[in-house]
Amino acid sequence: KAGVTQTPRYLIKTRGQQVTLSCSPISGHRSVSWYQQTPGQGLQFLFEYFSETQRNKGNFPGRFSGRQFSNSRSEMNVSTLELGDSALYLCASIPENTDTQYFGPGTRLTVL
Amino acid sequence: SQQGEEDPQALSIQEGENATMNCSYKTSINNLQWYRQNSGRGLVHLILIRSNEREKHSGRLRVTLDTSKKSSSLLITASRAADTASYFCATDAYNYGQNFVFGPGTRLSVLP
Repeated sequence: KAGVTQTPRYLIKTRGQQVTLSCSPISGHRSVSWYQQTPGQGLQFLFEYFSETQRNKGNFPGRFSGRQFSNSRSEMNVSTLELGDSALYLCASIPENTDTQYFGPGTRLTVL
Repeated sequence: SQQGEEDPQALSIQEGENATMNCSYKTSINNLQWYRQNSGRGLVHLILIRSNEREKHSGRLRVTLDTSKKSSSLLITASRAADTASYFCATDAYNYGQNFVFGPGTRLSVLP
C-alpha cells in the first residue's frame, strides 16, 4: 500500500496570505489527523477528521481550518498567515480499531 | 495538560551502546506509543504499549510502562548510527478532546 502523501512538500508564503495543504491517507484509512511541529512548541494537535466529520480539535485559532472529502483525502487551510505559522505540518492516518498513526513526510511552510 | 515529557532532551552515545529514554505523563492513559523522527521528516511508529502491559519488545527496542509512576522508558540496544533521530512518546488524550498528545522528544545522536 502507498503511504500517506502530503502536498506540497515545501511552501513559502508572505504574511497575510492564505495557504491550503493536502493530505492523502493510506487507502482504507478513514481517520486523518493534522499536527503542527515547531522547535518551540513541539508537536501540537490541530484536528482530526473521520468520514468527513471533524471529530476532535486542538487549541488553535479559527484561522486554522480543515475538511475531509468522501475519498478520505483531507485539506487544511490557514488564513491570514502570521510569521509564527512557519512550521512543519504533519498529517497522519489511522486505521480503524487501532491507535497507530501513520505519518506523511510533512509540508514545510515558511511565512516571510 | 496531559503532555508527555521525555527525558533527557538530548543524548549522545557511541555505536554499540544502549540508549535509554524516559517519558512521563500526568493523567491516566489507555496506551502509550513511541515514535521516531529523522531530521524534520514524518514520524515513524515504533511500538505501542497498553496500560495493562508492563513491558514490550520489538527487535532491538524494549519499552516499559509503569502506570503507578506514570512513566515509560524506551531502550534501544546495540545502537547504530542509523538510530540517530528524535524520539517522541505519545499518550492518548481522548478525554481531553484530542486523540494523542506528544512530548517534546529526545534527540539521540549515535556516533560511529
